[in-house]
Amino acid sequence: GAVVSQHPSRVICKSGTSVKIECRSLDFQATTMFWYRQFPKKSLMLMATSNEGSKATYEQGVEKDKFLINHASLTLSTLTVTSAHPEDSSFYICSATRSRAQETQYFGPGTRLLVL
Amino acid sequence: SQQGEEDPQALSIQEGENATMNCSYKTSINNLQWYRQNSGRGLVHLILIRSNEREKHSGRLRVTLDTSKKSSSLLITASRAADTASYFCATDSTDSWGKLQFGAGTQVVVTP
Repeated sequence: GAVVSQHPSRVICKSGTSVKIECRSLDFQATTMFWYRQFPKKSLMLMATSNEGSKATYEQGVEKDKFLINHASLTLSTLTVTSAHPEDSSFYICSATRSRAQETQYFGPGTRLLVL
Repeated sequence: SQQGEEDPQALSIQEGENATMNCSYKTSINNLQWYRQNSGRGLVHLILIRSNEREKHSGRLRVTLDTSKKSSSLLITASRAADTASYFCATDSTDSWGKLQFGAGTQVVVTP
């Protein structure tokens, strides 16, 4: 199989705090991981592409200082929402691919963030 | 901007009926993929069709791709209540390897 997990599944935090979301590939090594954001009843918007051992590539309009991404190993990528505000409340989903030749992305179950 | 646009936005059918949804896109693609998402959950990969393929089957799913019209369709045959979900198409463009651009999705409700 190709299982991707995310932790936590949901988090509530106060405005101004930072929140870290983990994305793990459980049974395969993921050379590339992607982070998406999804608003209610909307589509997924790609935020950034994360390659193991290198800096993440952010999509236009995504603040890299706001959304810190670290891909420290072939099975783990983290997204840290710094100084969270209510407008950062959203559903964050990661995905992972086995290799550059692998076309299919395997998605995690998502993390629902609510900033009060 | 959204690459894929799904049509219809919502679809309500009864069990046993077929469900068809369409996706249009704008750029040249390597492949087009269909995903399913249950409410508040992650995405499940359904099927991938490459740019040189015209039709693909997987169980009760049938996907077509018309690169001249830049469109794809997903057909779910003999639908079941468990097929209730949102369905998204996603394109892997030739100028941005691996980065999927998702359509707005079609919300399908199958009533018993």
